[in-house]
Amino acid sequence: DTEVTQTPKHLVMGMTNKKSLKCEQHMGHRAMYWYKQKAKKPPELMFVYSYEKLSINESVPSRFSPECPNSSLLNLHLHALQPEDSALYLCASSQTSALDGELFFGEGSRLTVL
Amino acid sequence: SQQGEEDPQALSIQEGENATMNCSYKTSINNLQWYRQNSGRGLVHLILIRSNEREKHSGRLRVTLDTSKKSSSLLITASRAADTASYFCATVPWGGYNKLIFGAGTRLAVHP
Repeated sequence: DTEVTQTPKHLVMGMTNKKSLKCEQHMGHRAMYWYKQKAKKPPELMFVYSYEKLSINESVPSRFSPECPNSSLLNLHLHALQPEDSALYLCASSQTSALDGELFFGEGSRLTVL
Repeated sequence: SQQGEEDPQALSIQEGENATMNCSYKTSINNLQWYRQNSGRGLVHLILIRSNEREKHSGRLRVTLDTSKKSSSLLITASRAADTASYFCATVPWGGYNKLIFGAGTRLAVHP
């Protein structure tokens, strides 16, 4: 199984809602990533988990809260978002680190904040 | 934060032609990777080249790396309509163990 599965594929939420994005991989990878991508722009790194511990937070606002419950799962909790947070949120995983090899990406969750 | 720039931003060619995309980056790197993204979908890894390598091939893909100029190029030979996608270079900065930072990307259109 070489897949990274993201749910939901699409999400529409109001600025006062609380929602979560979910990411799952069963490749035994120990590094997992959240990226944010706006239209016609490159993915921007948000968070990196390494061996289930948060290792990188790229100064992301606290309205985004990551969680890694176990080595296969990665969540992104969303609360009090702004319309400018509307974007494609991509999850990725790699065996140990980006130094060693490729990242495997999910298809993304497209978020619209009204 | 964006590590580098890609050139051109958009490229339109006919099937059968070669497509060359260039990537420049700002800091020393551990490795450089190329990814492909079909419209609004996830990214797919194409090739990884380490800082001590100068050239790599994979099928119709050829990647070069010039660390003295902080630049890389991706050549797709004998392009097909199915190659239509955005192509991104991404670098792991020196000391950035788990940081993969993407360049701006090149949008490639291959016309039948």
